[in-house]
Amino acid sequence: AQKVTQAQTEISVVEKEDVTLDCVYETRDTTYYLFWYKQPPSGELVFLIRRNSFDEQNEISGRYSWNFQKSTSSFNFTITASQVVDSAVYFCALRTSGNTPLVFGKGTRLSVIA
Amino acid sequence: SAVISQKPSRDICQRGTSLTIQCQVDSQVTMMFWYRQQPGQSLTLIATANQGSEATYESGFVIDKFPISRPNLTFSTLTVSNMSPEDSSIYLCSVEDHGRGKLLGTDTQYFGPGTRLTVL
Repeated sequence: AQKVTQAQTEISVVEKEDVTLDCVYETRDTTYYLFWYKQPPSGELVFLIRRNSFDEQNEISGRYSWNFQKSTSSFNFTITASQVVDSAVYFCALRTSGNTPLVFGKGTRLSVIA
Repeated sequence: SAVISQKPSRDICQRGTSLTIQCQVDSQVTMMFWYRQQPGQSLTLIATANQGSEATYESGFVIDKFPISRPNLTFSTLTVSNMSPEDSSIYLCSVEDHGRGKLLGTDTQYFGPGTRLTVL
């Protein structure tokens, strides 16, 4: 069975601080796909990144960066110099091959205080 | 990525009534999904809706309670039937397009803006 754990329920930081959101996943499949989504207060779910299991290269996109480590089954998300607009619930998700459903973690609520 | 719209964006309904939520995509997509997000919770998949076939429901969800239609490759509806306050949730439509030669089930899922339902 697939499982995604986001141990941090809520995080609060002051603007301009760096923050890392943790994501640990479980799967027995060798081929799988990891995702991060952002859900602002308005409710829509915004896709941030998709990473394949055979691509461990870390990725940076502006103030966002992702650290994928298969050895620890983790796919952590770091926001550098956080801003108030980063305040949202962030979901990590996992999907294995074979047309299986997307499995979400419980989410981490990030509050950035000005 | 596909642009997805949902109607209504929010509604307040009385117990025992039904609400049909529409999901419209600006391009043809193979797979459409319906999720439920109860207050303060994560997302749970209700069903997968593929055009030309019956929807596939996840454990805990039944067609009588959540009938789904998928008449074409750009549109789907989810009905929440005989509602109770426990049905108060955000309902999200999601799409995946594997038509660009990728394997089914490996592409990214994009989500609509959601329908915020409150049942009194």
